[in-house]
Amino acid sequence: AQTVTQSQPEMSVQEAETVTLSCTYDTSENNYYLFWYKQPPSRQMILVIRQEAYKQQNATENRFSVNFQKAAKSFSLKISDSQLGDTAMYFCAFMKLKLVFGKGTKLTVNP
Amino acid sequence: DGGITQSPKYLFRKEGQNVTLSCEQNLNHDAMYWYRQDPGQGLRLIYYSQIVNDFQKGDIAEGYSVSREKKESFPLTVTSAQKNPTAFYLCASSIDMNNEQFFGPGTRLTVL
Repeated sequence: AQTVTQSQPEMSVQEAETVTLSCTYDTSENNYYLFWYKQPPSRQMILVIRQEAYKQQNATENRFSVNFQKAAKSFSLKISDSQLGDTAMYFCAFMKLKLVFGKGTKLTVNP
Repeated sequence: DGGITQSPKYLFRKEGQNVTLSCEQNLNHDAMYWYRQDPGQGLRLIYYSQIVNDFQKGDIAEGYSVSREKKESFPLTVTSAQKNPTAFYLCASSIDMNNEQFFGPGTRLTVL
């Protein structure tokens, strides 16, 4: 069974700085998808970014980018120019037909 | 507006009662899912449905039941057999099971 590990339960960053959230996963599959979801205090789950495993190029979405290392089974999220609205729980997720979530990292952006 | 709705936002139940959580989507998605979220935990899959009139158990299906009579609706019943039902419940949908899932706003269930 696939597992997803987020080793940082909590992190904090100053507004306008850059922060990186870590994620590792375990799978024997070759083709799959990886996602980062954001859950703000409203508890709405919001898709931040997705990565197809067959693509070598790292995905980017505005201030959000990933560092996907397939051999190392690592999928970190970098948030540049952090904003107060980035304060949220961030979940890494692996998908091969079904989504498997990590336990999340609570990110606080301080003014 | 296209999206996923869940109702009610907050739900209280007495022990021994069954309760049904609603999930509706107008995205024309084939696949729908139910997750449970507990403090300090990621989301855990309860049930999923790839197509109308078909559904499968997820990782923690005991004490729950679902139906999928219409494409846009996937209600979840929390039965009295669920030993610890107090949690936050999220419904999601996707075009199919190989695409990203979009989530509803969730229902907070509290057993009194």
